[in-house]
Amino acid sequence: AQSVTQPDIHITVSEGASLELRCNYSYGATPYLFWYVQSPGQGLQLLLKYFSGDTLVQGIKGFEAEFKRSQSSFNLRKPSVHWSDAAEYFCAVVRYNNNDMRFGAGTRLTVKP
Amino acid sequence: DADVTQTPRNRITKTGKRIMLECSQTKGHDRMYWYRQDPGLGLRLIYYSFDVKDINKGEISDGYSVSRQAQAKFSLSLESAIPNQTALYFCATSDPGGEETQYFGPGTRLLVL
Repeated sequence: AQSVTQPDIHITVSEGASLELRCNYSYGATPYLFWYVQSPGQGLQLLLKYFSGDTLVQGIKGFEAEFKRSQSSFNLRKPSVHWSDAAEYFCAVVRYNNNDMRFGAGTRLTVKP
Repeated sequence: DADVTQTPRNRITKTGKRIMLECSQTKGHDRMYWYRQDPGLGLRLIYYSFDVKDINKGEISDGYSVSRQAQAKFSLSLESAIPNQTALYFCATSDPGGEETQYFGPGTRLLVL
């Protein structure tokens, strides 16, 4: 069965510092990969997604993610974090035309002034 | 106006009561989903529907039922609510031609006493 692991439950970074959130998946084939962000009291907003092609994908709000097949990873990065980036971040995977999207447990990001 | 709306946004009910959560969308998508979110567990799929005549169980369907009244409406029912159904519930939609991307509503926070 496919699964998604986000090893870090909570991360704190200083404003302006770089950020990397980790995501590993367990699946027999390359799935479709997503990162969503959930601000307090809000629904989930899509940051970026990977289906095929260039393994470095750009998303909204200055985020990017890199797919590494050999490591079954899809880590999210941002070079300079803003206070408004404080939120919970979810990695998700789904198989083509399967619709059984599986989410990681989430990583909560705190941004220090 | 939001593309995916959920009502109510917050609900408190008692054990044994029947409760319905409603989801409406204006995105014109055929596929709709219900998830629940629990701290530390991410989102888990309860039910999904590919069109009005299609209903499928997800990972955690026990204790829940759904109704797809129209392309734009998908309701989730708890026939006899129990305290461990206290959670944040999300509705989502996707387009079969949209590379499996799911779009989420703002969520319904349910407390079962």
